Amino acid sequence: AQRVTQPEKLLSVFKGAPVELKCNYSYSGSPELFWYVQYSRQRLQLLLRHISRESIKGFTADLNKGETSFHLKKPFAQEEDSAMYYCALLNAGGTSYGKLTFGQGTILTVHP
Amino acid sequence: DAGVTQSPTHLIKTRGQQVTLRCSPKSGHDTVSWYQQALGQGPQFIFQYYEEEERQRGNFPDRFSGHQFPNYSSELNVNALLLGDSALYLCASSLVAGGLPGELFFGEGSRLTVL
Repeated sequence: AQRVTQPEKLLSVFKGAPVELKCNYSYSGSPELFWYVQYSRQRLQLLLRHISRESIKGFTADLNKGETSFHLKKPFAQEEDSAMYYCALLNAGGTSYGKLTFGQGTILTVHP
Repeated sequence: DAGVTQSPTHLIKTRGQQVTLRCSPKSGHDTVSWYQQALGQGPQFIFQYYEEEERQRGNFPDRFSGHQFPNYSSELNVNALLLGDSALYLCASSLVAGGLPGELFFGEGSRLTVL
């Protein structure tokens, strides 16, 4: 069974400091991983997908299959990055749709 | 485009009662997924509907059932409510053909309290 683990419930950094939100996964197939974010009083939304190899709002995430990790990183945190972050794993089962398995989430607080 | 809309936003029920939650997907989307989010936890997959059929289901009992209508909107029904069913219920829509796998658009949720 697939599982996503986010070991840090809370993470606090100061503005301008680097930040890394950890995510580890367990999945027998080829994983597709995502980071979702929920800002205060907003709905949950997609931040980035590993397959796109993109940088969104300065965040990047690299899939490390050897360590089964998909950590989210940003070199210089901003106050507007404060939010709840969820790592998620897609189980498509060979279909064009599928279910996401979410981690428990990490609350990131960036202090001025 | 209003995005994904859910109703009601809050509701209170007592044990043993039944509840129906409603979801309208983002315009143009054809797939609806339902998630349960308990306090302090990540969203947990309940089931997914596409072409009016349940396509995938998570580890939830048969008390949880759903439906998708021809206009792609969806309902989540929970029978014989238990205290443990108290949670935020999230609806998410996506597009099978032409959409990006795993890209879900979420509603704001329906907060269910069971007393």
